[in-house]
Amino acid sequence: EVQLLESGGGLVQPGGSLRLSCAASGFTFSGYAMSWVRQAPGKGLEWVSTITTGGGNTYYADSVRGRFTISRDNSKNTLYLQMNSLRADDTAVYYCAKHPFEYITSWFDPWGQGTLVTVSS
Amino acid sequence: DIQMTQSPSSLSASVGDRVTITCRASQSISNYLNWYQQKPGKAPKVLIYTTSSLQSGVPSRFSGSGSGTDFTLTISSLQPEDFAAYYCQQSYSIPLTFGGGTKVEIK
Repeated sequence: EVQLLESGGGLVQPGGSLRLSCAASGFTFSGYAMSWVRQAPGKGLEWVSTITTGGGNTYYADSVRGRFTISRDNSKNTLYLQMNSLRADDTAVYYCAKHPFEYITSWFDPWGQGTLVTVSS
Repeated sequence: DIQMTQSPSSLSASVGDRVTITCRASQSISNYLNWYQQKPGKAPKVLIYTTSSLQSGVPSRFSGSGSGTDFTLTISSLQPEDFAAYYCQQSYSIPLTFGGGTKVEIK
């Protein structure tokens, strides 16, 4: 069974940093593109970032480019999201999501359970 | 960027009703359109991918259609477990974008 387990969320002050992790199991992690998607409280879904299978190519939403960095460690079956210069509007549940194959232009399946990031003083 | 517009943003329906949700793309996305269901406090799950392919395990009362810029998700006979939020998502190009969502509530 494919499982994605996020961790690393919490309360952080504006301007601070946080690193999210997503531990993957039940599939050959290195064979699939991976993404982060977020959802602000009571709002819709927003794509944040995607990384290709080997980590050589990364893509970001304009709202996070230059502040967030996606990465992966295929030897540890883990996806990361380093978040710097956090702002109040980054407050959201962050989901890790697997793509159905190596292509980044595809859907998300499955999703992790999410980890809440709250940016507040 | 491709903008995705869903309508309605919410609807009230009864068990057994036929429900249709529409999604419009700001430019042609061929058939690269996916639908998700999200229940309160839970992660989204994919229902339909590439317009009309039903994800394994999803009941056949869910169906999708469309092409180009206009797409629909249809629930043929609404069941109690279908009350949830639904989102469309285009996978034609980066940035991957979602519609604003449709909340299906009990009438």
